[in-house]
Amino acid sequence: NAGVTQTPKFQVLKTGQSMTLQCAQDMNHEYMSWYRQDPGMGLRLIHYSVGAGITDQGEVPNGYNVSRSTTEDFPLRLLSAAPSQTSVYFCASSYNRGWELFFGEGSRLTVL
Amino acid sequence: KQEVTQIPAALSVPEGENLVLNCSFTDSAIYNLQWFRQDPGKGLTSLLLIQSSQREQTSGRLNASLDKSSGRSTLYIAASQPGDSATYLCAVGEETSGSRLTFGEGTQLTVNP
Repeated sequence: NAGVTQTPKFQVLKTGQSMTLQCAQDMNHEYMSWYRQDPGMGLRLIHYSVGAGITDQGEVPNGYNVSRSTTEDFPLRLLSAAPSQTSVYFCASSYNRGWELFFGEGSRLTVL
Repeated sequence: KQEVTQIPAALSVPEGENLVLNCSFTDSAIYNLQWFRQDPGKGLTSLLLIQSSQREQTSGRLNASLDKSSGRSTLYIAASQPGDSATYLCAVGEETSGSRLTFGEGTQLTVNP
């Protein structure tokens, strides 16, 4: 049982480039979400999904896009990378509302 | 807007000591509260989940309590070990959507042999 898998683990981008952070879970979880973790700011919610075909914005959604075409996958797209998006990104999932949240290992992104 | 505060930011104790980590939140209308552990360079691991109707949860040497009315939770670690060294984060779930969490910044715990 792999749990929540994120790729890539590390990525360096130049300002203006686009990329997609992948997230997949094999636990048949309905809820999936993306957080970013920054020193002094804690973890902040970017986008979340309550099921396939349904997504919503979190606290810091600007500059990011998501889609949920399947229960298993929840990719996060950076449309035009900016230095302010340098961060560690975590994908997390839970079986249902209010259940235990499972996190991936994180993706460390640097934007130059 | 919910705000979650964890005090202290860092804590260093000798092995074997019992210790308490604190978490406070500003809006008592919560769905649940979770305690997580994060090791350097790693993701978060859920330790305990307390539903808003519960007062406490226990797992091994860990005990978490919740007092909604005062906006506080504590994580008690008994007989601490060097392997407990990590950052501990608490997160509060919104009343309308328990999976949408607001996190504290964490307490960095070091247990010295």
